[in-house]
Amino acid sequence: KNEVEQSPQNLTAQEGEFITINCSYSVGISALHWLQQHPGGGIVSLFMLSSGKKKHGRLIATINIQEKHSSLHITASHPRDSAVYICAARYNNNDMRFGAGTRLTVKP
Amino acid sequence: DSGVTQTPKHLITATGQRVTLRCSPRSGDLSVYWYQQSLDQGLQFLIQYYNGEERAKGNILERFSAQQFPDLHSELNLSSLELGDSALYFCASSATSGGPGGEGEQFFGPGTRLTVL
Repeated sequence: KNEVEQSPQNLTAQEGEFITINCSYSVGISALHWLQQHPGGGIVSLFMLSSGKKKHGRLIATINIQEKHSSLHITASHPRDSAVYICAARYNNNDMRFGAGTRLTVKP
Repeated sequence: DSGVTQTPKHLITATGQRVTLRCSPRSGDLSVYWYQQSLDQGLQFLIQYYNGEERAKGNILERFSAQQFPDLHSELNLSSLELGDSALYFCASSATSGGPGGEGEQFFGPGTRLTVL
């Protein structure tokens, strides 16, 4: 069954803190996407990865294929990082499944 | 601005009606994906088209259909609408065909908010 589990569901942090959001999936995938959804509803793609690690500014995404697990890290968090973060797994049968999302609030 | 456009922005209609949502991908992108986001079910993948052909199918109901035209814009048709179809409908585009060895970054449109009364 193609399932995606994401944790935590909600996360509150103080500005400057290091943040980690986790995502696990059930079977073989071709890629894992990390998305950011702003309060207004717009969705932005942060990363697409199939192995290893990617970095963009203060954001880092990693994936461990053997453990079927991916993490999104935010270093030196800022209030403007407040959003919902969603992981999505593209399975080898071309189906795509989404995690329930992590609502991040960063307080100044 | 992702370069993906969706119309209309908002749509209010009644149960039993039929509506068409339109998506124009980023210039040069061949893949169009459709997604539904509802409060109770989160984001769900509906269907993907690549260069005019259906490439992948997700949780799309039989009452829903889609197509991609020669100019690469796509339309999602929703018929016999029910209250539960009220949701945000996103399309996204990508340069690649998707799947093993062909997955690429997706660029999302602003969404169409459908309200069924």
